[in-house]
Amino acid sequence: AQTVTQSQPEMSVQEAETVTLSCTYDTSENNYYLFWYKQPPSRQMILVIRQEAYKQQNATENRFSVNFQKAAKSFSLKISDSQLGDTAMYFCAFRIMDSNYQLIWGAGTKLIIKP
Amino acid sequence: EAGVAQSPRYKIIEKRQSVAFWCNPISGHATLYWYQQILGQGPKLLIQFQNNGVVDDSQLPKDRFSAERLKGVDSTLKIQPAKLEDSAVYLCASSLYGTGWYEQYFGPGTRLTVT
Repeated sequence: AQTVTQSQPEMSVQEAETVTLSCTYDTSENNYYLFWYKQPPSRQMILVIRQEAYKQQNATENRFSVNFQKAAKSFSLKISDSQLGDTAMYFCAFRIMDSNYQLIWGAGTKLIIKP
Repeated sequence: EAGVAQSPRYKIIEKRQSVAFWCNPISGHATLYWYQQILGQGPKLLIQFQNNGVVDDSQLPKDRFSAERLKGVDSTLKIQPAKLEDSAVYLCASSLYGTGWYEQYFGPGTRLTVT
């Protein structure tokens, strides 16, 4: 069975600092997708960034980037120049490619950006 | 484009009562998901529809939960009778297709409190 583990329940950093959220997963599949979703307080869940497992190049979206280590089954999220609006729950999720299998979600990391 | 709409936003009921939630997905999205999110946890998939057919309802407690998606557009999720442990946020999401890569768009959720 596939599992996703986020080992940091809560993190806090000062505004403008860089922060890395960790995520590890377990699967016997070779082709899959990985996602980071953000859930701000009292606001809707939104997609931050996604990565295809067959691509070696790490995905980037503006201040957000990932460090994808397929052999280690690790998918960490780096937020550069953190902003107050980055305060949110961050969820790592995994899904097998080309299937209707459900997204497997981690338990989340609560990130607090301090002014 | 309009986002995923959900109603009501909040609901308080007593145990053993019934409750229904409504979701209208983004226009043209074939796949609709209902999730249960307990405080401090990641979302748990209850049911996934592809158009008006059920793709996955393996984690839906069918003795008390039911869902339908008539005409492949909006959907309702019902709980009857409710238990204390059903207190959670119920999230509706939609995606263009149900396979791996496609981003899920989430509604604001319905916060259910069972007393």
